[in-house]
Amino acid sequence: EAGVTQFPSHSVIEKGQTVTLRCDPISGHDNLYWYRRVMGKEIKFLLHFVKESKQDESGMPNNRFLAERTGGTYSTLKVQPAELEDSGVYFCASSRAMGSYEQYFGPGTRLTVT
Amino acid sequence: GNSVTQMEGPVTLSEEAFLTINCTYTATGYPSLFWYVQYPGEGLQLLLKATKADDKGSNKGFEATYRKETTSFHLEKGSVQVSDSAVYFCALSDHAEGAQKLVFGQGTRLTINP
Repeated sequence: EAGVTQFPSHSVIEKGQTVTLRCDPISGHDNLYWYRRVMGKEIKFLLHFVKESKQDESGMPNNRFLAERTGGTYSTLKVQPAELEDSGVYFCASSRAMGSYEQYFGPGTRLTVT
Repeated sequence: GNSVTQMEGPVTLSEEAFLTINCTYTATGYPSLFWYVQYPGEGLQLLLKATKADDKGSNKGFEATYRKETTSFHLEKGSVQVSDSAVYFCALSDHAEGAQKLVFGQGTRLTINP
C-alpha cells in the first residue's frame, strides 16, 4: 500500500505570501495529524483530524494557519500570511483508528519563508 | 503537561561501537513510548515502541525498555553500523488524557564513521 505523501517537498515563499501544503494519508486511515519541526527543535503537534472533523487543534499556533480535510481524505494546511517564524518542516501522519498506537509519517514539506 | 527530554546531540561513533541515547519523560497518565528514526531525505519511521511499564521494544538490533520508576526509555544498540546514521526521536502518547497526539523530544543526530 502507498505511504503517506506530502506535496510539495519544498516551498520557498516571501513573508506575507500564502502557501498551501497538502497531505494524502494512507488509504483507509481515519486519523490524520499535522506536526512541524522548527529550527532543529522538537517536533510539535499542530492538529488531529478524525475523518473530516477536527478532534484536537490545540497545537495550532495562531489564526494564520487553517487546516481542512474535506471528505475525510486528503488534508491541506494553509498559512496566510506567512511569517519568518513559520519556516520549518511540516510533517503529516496518519493512523488507522482511535487507539491505534502507530502513526505513519510522510516525508515532510520543508517551508522556507524569506 | 507531558514532555520528553532526550540526549543532546550530535553523537558521533565508530562502526561496531555501543550506542545509548538517553530519553526521559514526564506524563500525567499512562503513556505509550516510541522511538522514531529519520534517515537522510526520508520521513519519520517507527523504530520501536512499548505500551506499558517493563515492556521492551526491539527492532533492527535496537532495544529500549519502558522504566516507569525512572521515567526513562533509553535507546541502545550493541554494535552500530554506518547505515544507522540518522536522527532519532523519542516520543510519547498519553492515551489516558484521551489524546492521540505524539509529544517528541528534540531529536538526536547520530553519525557512524566506518
